Amino acid sequence: GNSVTQMEGPVTLSEEAFLTINCTYTATGYPSLFWYVQYPGEGLQLLLKATKADDKGSNKGFEATYRKETTSFHLEKGSVQVSDSAVYFCALSDSGNTPLVFGKGTRLSVIA
Amino acid sequence: EAEVAQSPRYKITEKSQAVAFWCDPISGHATLYWYRQILGQGPELLVQFQDESVVDDSQLPKDRFSAERLKGVDSTLKIQPAELGDSAMYLCASSFDRVNTEAFFGQGTRLTVV
Repeated sequence: GNSVTQMEGPVTLSEEAFLTINCTYTATGYPSLFWYVQYPGEGLQLLLKATKADDKGSNKGFEATYRKETTSFHLEKGSVQVSDSAVYFCALSDSGNTPLVFGKGTRLSVIA
Repeated sequence: EAEVAQSPRYKITEKSQAVAFWCDPISGHATLYWYRQILGQGPELLVQFQDESVVDDSQLPKDRFSAERLKGVDSTLKIQPAELGDSAMYLCASSFDRVNTEAFFGQGTRLTVV
């Protein structure tokens, strides 16, 4: 079956530090990959996506590259801000025709 | 900007009572999803609609949960009777169609069963 594995949180960083949140996946087909962000008390917002191998998704300074050879889609940001504090979810949709399957989420706290 | 609307935002109910949640997807979105998110976990699919038809309800506890999307637009998710273990965030999402699966989420309904 399809599944997503994310690094355990919480992750606590100082402002302007470099962020990496690891995500690996298992899929039966050729999935599209997503990162969603959830701020406290809110629903999920799409952060970025990639639909084929070697694609790089980017938004708001965040990036992730679709690595088929390592089945990974790690999220990175060069300099985090306090406003980036949230829970980040990696997700996949297998072959573009199935609902999203989510990882368990990684909570990020950025301190000034 | 178009949004997925959900109501209520918060609901407290006693166990064994009935509870219902409402969702209005983004206009023109044919696919609608209900997810359940237990605290500290990722969302898990309960049911997926394509227009008014159920596409996937394999994870919906059908003995107590029901969902409908009668006119292929807004949707209602019902729990009867509610159990303590149903306490969670219920998220509605919509996408343009089943192939373009970039989903847009509502703010969710936080259910507490006491």
